[in-house]
Amino acid sequence: QSALTQPASVSGSPGQSITISCTGSSSEVGGNKYVSWYQQHPGTAPKLIIYDVSNRPSGVSDRFSGSKSGNTASLTISGLQAEDEGDYYCCSYTSTTIYVFGTGTKVIVL
Amino acid sequence: EVQLVESGGGSVQPGGSLRLSCVGSGFAFNNYGMHWVRQAPGKGLVWVSHSRHDGTITKYADSVEGRFTISRDNAKNTLYLQMNSLRVEDTAVYYCTRGAGYNLGYWGQGTLVTVSS
Repeated sequence: QSALTQPASVSGSPGQSITISCTGSSSEVGGNKYVSWYQQHPGTAPKLIIYDVSNRPSGVSDRFSGSKSGNTASLTISGLQAEDEGDYYCCSYTSTTIYVFGTGTKVIVL
Repeated sequence: EVQLVESGGGSVQPGGSLRLSCVGSGFAFNNYGMHWVRQAPGKGLVWVSHSRHDGTITKYADSVEGRFTISRDNAKNTLYLQMNSLRVEDTAVYYCTRGAGYNLGYWGQGTLVTVSS
């Protein structure tokens, strides 16, 4: 049950696009369509922003998009805004019917 | 409005026990699988356990298997996490989350568990 691999930090200027990767194996990310992404601001609970690889819950900005290729899932934030600064985590359902989170990525808006 | 409110956190010595509770409101509690997720201070999220909507199937992370027990009382809209043989490394904020399909759609505010001598 090793954590999925994410970059420790990703930065960008306001208005730019950034992409966060989430790398696992065929036992989780590559083995199903159940990858989700969570945004967490300091001192608050995480919030679901992408589910089932590329779907957005109601109320989540369309600046957030998700995709997957092989064993790597990706979250793209377009039109970066100051409010997007925070921590982002991927999560995948696994072949042993449990869940595993990514190591987390700090997004920095320059 | 979906609400999840955790309670039961606190300080305990290594080897001790605690029981966390999570009361859900604003949705049909008995229709949803529920999870516990934890976050050690300054660290990332770690999935801990899942209960099927009727409590008949439960799953655990290897790190807590045999020490933690998830259960629920649907008549009281309440999810529990019984934590035994606690270790220093179990120190974390514990979040209760509502499952929706294969994701964790709603989260409580968390309750802090500190294991220290």
